[in-house]
Amino acid sequence: ETGVTQTPRHLVMGMTNKKSLKCEQHLGHNAMYWYKQSAKKPLELMFVYSLEERVENNSVPSRFSPECPNSSHLFLHLHTLQPEDSALYLCASSQGTGEVSPLHFGNGTRLTVT
Amino acid sequence: GNSVTQMEGPVTLSEEAFLTINCTYTATGYPSLFWYVQYPGEGLQLLLKATKADDKGSNKGFEATYRKETTSFHLEKGSVQVSDSAVYFCALTTYNQGGKLIFGQGTELSVKP
Repeated sequence: ETGVTQTPRHLVMGMTNKKSLKCEQHLGHNAMYWYKQSAKKPLELMFVYSLEERVENNSVPSRFSPECPNSSHLFLHLHTLQPEDSALYLCASSQGTGEVSPLHFGNGTRLTVT
Repeated sequence: GNSVTQMEGPVTLSEEAFLTINCTYTATGYPSLFWYVQYPGEGLQLLLKATKADDKGSNKGFEATYRKETTSFHLEKGSVQVSDSAVYFCALTTYNQGGKLIFGQGTELSVKP
C-alpha cells in the first residue's frame, strides 16, 4: 500500500464519546500534519509533527490531542467534542518542513458530532 | 500576515470551455505557490507549483504563472473535461513559515457535458 491512509473514513460520535482518528503514511516522509476542512472555510492547519516532535499547535482546543508515535503514524484523539467540530479531518505528510516540500494528503475522515 | 484569495465559486462550464480560476496572494518575502485539487470524496492532490517569479507550473493541461508584479497565480486550462470537476485550492508557503501551507478557500468547478 502506498500514499497516506486515514481511518475511519466516516465517524459519528456523541459529545461525551472518546474516539481516535488514525493516519499512516508509506512514503518515507518525516513530517506529518492534521488539517481541518469545514464547509466554505479555508483549510485550517491544526498540528505539525517533524521527526515525531510537535512543531506547531495552532491554538487548537485541548479536546483535540495529537499523538505521533513514529514517523509513519499520526493519531488525533478526540474527547468531549462540540457539534461545530463536525468537519473533514485531513492528514498529510511531506519529506520535510522545508519550503518546497509538497504535501501528500489522505482522503480524510468525515466527522459528525451529534 | 500571509494570505491567499481565490475567486468565489462555484464555477460552471461546458465541456471544452476555457477555464480561469483567479488567485492572488499577500506574502512577506518570496513565497512558493501551489495549486491543489480535491476530487469528490478524496483528499487534496498537488496539481502544480512554481517557486519563483515568472515560473510557469503545468500539469494535466493546467497551467499557472507566478506573477510577482500582480501577486497572482491564476490557474488556466484551454479545454476542460467533465473529469476536471473538483475543488481547486491555491496555496503558498514561505521560508520563514517552515514550509507550512496557507490555503485559499477553494473554488468549486463543475463541468457539464
